[in-house]
Amino acid sequence: GENVEQHPSTLSVQEGDSAVIKCTYSDSASNYFPWYKQELGKGPQLIIDIRSNVGEKKDQRIAVTLNKTAKHFSLHITETQPEDSAVYFCAASITYDKVIFGPGTSLSVIP
Amino acid sequence: EAEVAQSPRYKITEKSQAVAFWCDPISGHATLYWYRQILGQGPELLVQFQDESVVDDSQLPKDRFSAERLKGVDSTLKIQPAELGDSAMYLCASSLRQTTVAFFGQGTRLTVV
Repeated sequence: GENVEQHPSTLSVQEGDSAVIKCTYSDSASNYFPWYKQELGKGPQLIIDIRSNVGEKKDQRIAVTLNKTAKHFSLHITETQPEDSAVYFCAASITYDKVIFGPGTSLSVIP
Repeated sequence: EAEVAQSPRYKITEKSQAVAFWCDPISGHATLYWYRQILGQGPELLVQFQDESVVDDSQLPKDRFSAERLKGVDSTLKIQPAELGDSAMYLCASSLRQTTVAFFGQGTRLTVV
């Protein structure tokens, strides 16, 4: 079955700097890659997603890139703000309903 | 804004006791999921419903866990008897149908003592 790895497990950045989280997946049939943000005591919230027919997608300060050949995908957050502090999960799926999550990255943005 | 509602938010129970969690999905969402999230890990799917039918329960420990969605709307997840290793966050999510994005509730934090 699908296996998703995520690095780093923890990340600290200064406010205003960029943050990058990288993920790899094992099943070449996966074609949908969502990213979730989970704040303390809350459920995961979808922040951006990308499909396999697209190499890059951007939404304001957040961007995702996908390299299907290498089975890598990454989340880029620019101009980080304290409210970006949370745990971020990457995930992969062949269909929307069989989403396999990575282990998470705890991001801390230092004011 | 429509949300997935879960209750209770927190539950402490003694091992060997029974415990139940409730989920009310976003109105009109046919697909409902229960996930378990152990501290420091990503969510893992326990069971998936399409309307009132179970689509996937391959990861549900059926000797002690049960889930139902009798009328195809709200759902209950039960554990009996609870074990210390069941301590986790139990998340419910729903989607309009199987091929659309899922939205998560705030979860129920279970502590088994």
